[in-house]
Amino acid sequence: DVKVTQSSRYLVKRTGEKVFLECVQDMDHENMFWYRQDPGLGLRLIYFSYDVKMKEKGDIPEGYSVSREKKERFSLILESASTNQTSMYLCASWQAVNTEAFFGQGTRLTVV
Amino acid sequence: QQQVKQSPQSLIVQKGGISIINCAYENTAFDYFPWYQQFPGKGPALLIAIRPDVSEKKEGRFTISFNKSAKQFSLHIMDSQPGDSATYFCAAHRSSNTGKLIFGQGTTLQVKP
Repeated sequence: DVKVTQSSRYLVKRTGEKVFLECVQDMDHENMFWYRQDPGLGLRLIYFSYDVKMKEKGDIPEGYSVSREKKERFSLILESASTNQTSMYLCASWQAVNTEAFFGQGTRLTVV
Repeated sequence: QQQVKQSPQSLIVQKGGISIINCAYENTAFDYFPWYQQFPGKGPALLIAIRPDVSEKKEGRFTISFNKSAKQFSLHIMDSQPGDSATYFCAAHRSSNTGKLIFGQGTTLQVKP
């Protein structure tokens, strides 16, 4: 089974802190994604990566950056957390053969 | 801009009833339309998907109906069960954008016993 693991289920951070959300996948997938999930807005794409050290902006990249130093690991960085970044964050990897995205369990981030 | 619009936002159905969730898309370049199911505390998981060369796909109690001319597709859950209570997301994908899914707003389904 494909496994996508996010390092934290719940996080509480203070405004202005630098926040790291980590994601690891074990299926050697090339493509990885970070989404943000908010009620009534669905899943919105923040950033994605097609290969190591490669990244592309999604629909809502402002206030975020990403890092992909190894194929299995994709990190989302909030440079200076703000209260409007309180949300559920979901990481996914893409299996092209089956055209299927595999999601982690999510990290619920609260910025106070 | 919201490229995939989903309705309703929430849905309550009695056990044994039919649940229907609708989605509409704008970009005719989309060529793959999956539905994802998400239970509380879990990430979304692929439920069923369709390509625009067919008008319907059925897997067990779950059916996707696809209307290419209207740029609409819908999920039908027959004989809805309490275990189907979850959030459902439709999505659209272009094969040239490998893995970049555009999601709808989500529908929270509650099936009452």
